[in-house]
Amino acid sequence: GAVVSQHPSRVICKSGTSVKIECRSLDFQATTMFWYRQFPKQSLMLMATSNEGSKATYEQGVEKDKFLINHASLTLSTLTVTSAHPEDSSFYICSARDSRGGDTIYFGEGSWLTVV
Amino acid sequence: DAKTTQPPSMDCAEGRAANLPCNHSTISGNEYVYWYRQIHSQGPQYIIHGLKNNETNEMASLIITEDRKSSTLILPHATLRDTAVYYCISGRGGSTLGRLYFGRGTQLTVWP
Repeated sequence: GAVVSQHPSRVICKSGTSVKIECRSLDFQATTMFWYRQFPKQSLMLMATSNEGSKATYEQGVEKDKFLINHASLTLSTLTVTSAHPEDSSFYICSARDSRGGDTIYFGEGSWLTVV
Repeated sequence: DAKTTQPPSMDCAEGRAANLPCNHSTISGNEYVYWYRQIHSQGPQYIIHGLKNNETNEMASLIITEDRKSSTLILPHATLRDTAVYYCISGRGGSTLGRLYFGRGTQLTVWP
């Protein structure tokens, strides 16, 4: 199946700093990607829809100024957690829509963010 | 999007078929049924999806009832590596395809 890759897989940052997570579709173009967050022992929560060449669409309750999303190319979306705090520590996962027959949604491996 | 209901946990013996049920009684006509699984600390792995017809691939089979209010994921010969949380999700087609709202899923444990 298609591959979606995230980088970094793990990152530790200090409170108040910003951290960027990349999501790439490796063998297909994705005009739409999605960002999720997952806290320990909980399910995935959809944060936002990343649209290539336009603004992201955020789910209710997700702060767009804190979680900046950029989708500048058909294979790359980035999530920047700005002014990170310990409560932002979580598992961040992206997904991408592969429209080549079947519209399958593939997920990345996830990125662990720890804010200290 | 339709809410899905799954049992919180199931067990299965290795080599036997694992049948994971999912109820989606409020599903609308253009909503797909997706199945993913997640092994601890990894991103969800795509298994299969369908709209109306039963589907089969190298991983599993998806049986959707005629009224589309429920479905069953079948792993024909479960192995220990199939131990994971399985999520049944309904998602709309068209421009909003991909916005998936995850429930708690079913923790499948395959025992030797």
